[in-house]
Amino acid sequence: QPQLQESGSGQVKPSQTLSLSCNVSGYSITSGGYAWSWIRQPPGQGLEWIGCIYHIGGADYNPSLKSRVSISMDRSKNQFSLRLSSVTAADTAVYYCARGYSLDLWGQGTLVTVSS
Amino acid sequence: EIVLTQSPGTQSLSPGERATLSCRASQSVSNTYLAWYQQKPGQAPRLLIYGASRRATGIPDRFSGSGSGTDFTLSISRLEPEDFAVYYCQHYGSSMWTFGQGTKVEIK
Repeated sequence: QPQLQESGSGQVKPSQTLSLSCNVSGYSITSGGYAWSWIRQPPGQGLEWIGCIYHIGGADYNPSLKSRVSISMDRSKNQFSLRLSSVTAADTAVYYCARGYSLDLWGQGTLVTVSS
Repeated sequence: EIVLTQSPGTQSLSPGERATLSCRASQSVSNTYLAWYQQKPGQAPRLLIYGASRRATGIPDRFSGSGSGTDFTLSISRLEPEDFAVYYCQHYGSSMWTFGQGTKVEIK
């Protein structure tokens, strides 16, 4: 049964870089033609797509975040990672990783709080 | 950039009633990449419908999706207690995923 699990720091200081990883189990991220996305949800608000990395390694980003975002893949660990630089309080959110063009598999999410 | 607008913002219904949720796109989109999700408090979203009308694995047949072009609908034929949640539509196109703002279905 494929599963996704986010991990990383739950608290980040303003102006620093947020780093999260998504560990994929039960499925190889380099097979199947999937895109692997990061999505966030500020407290009490809706969903925002941050960006994705494709099984062949290219990436796409939300234009509103593109200047601050980087998504990478570690094939040996079967995981993909998010880096978001120059964070502010507005980046406080639950961060999810998810699979596919129709997002058929999600991690449980991890809350990241930006605070000094 | 495509904008998805969901209506109503909140729908107050009783168990057993029918729910009809709307998702309107700012320009015509492909059915292939139009999806609906259910999200309950403290949980990740769950895929309900993909390809505008195809139920995801394990989704009860009381959930159905329809529409094309710019207008899409999620219907829940008879609301069960576990169906009260927030629902999002989502589209993939031009290397970007876009979500609607959500519709909350609450108990009347």
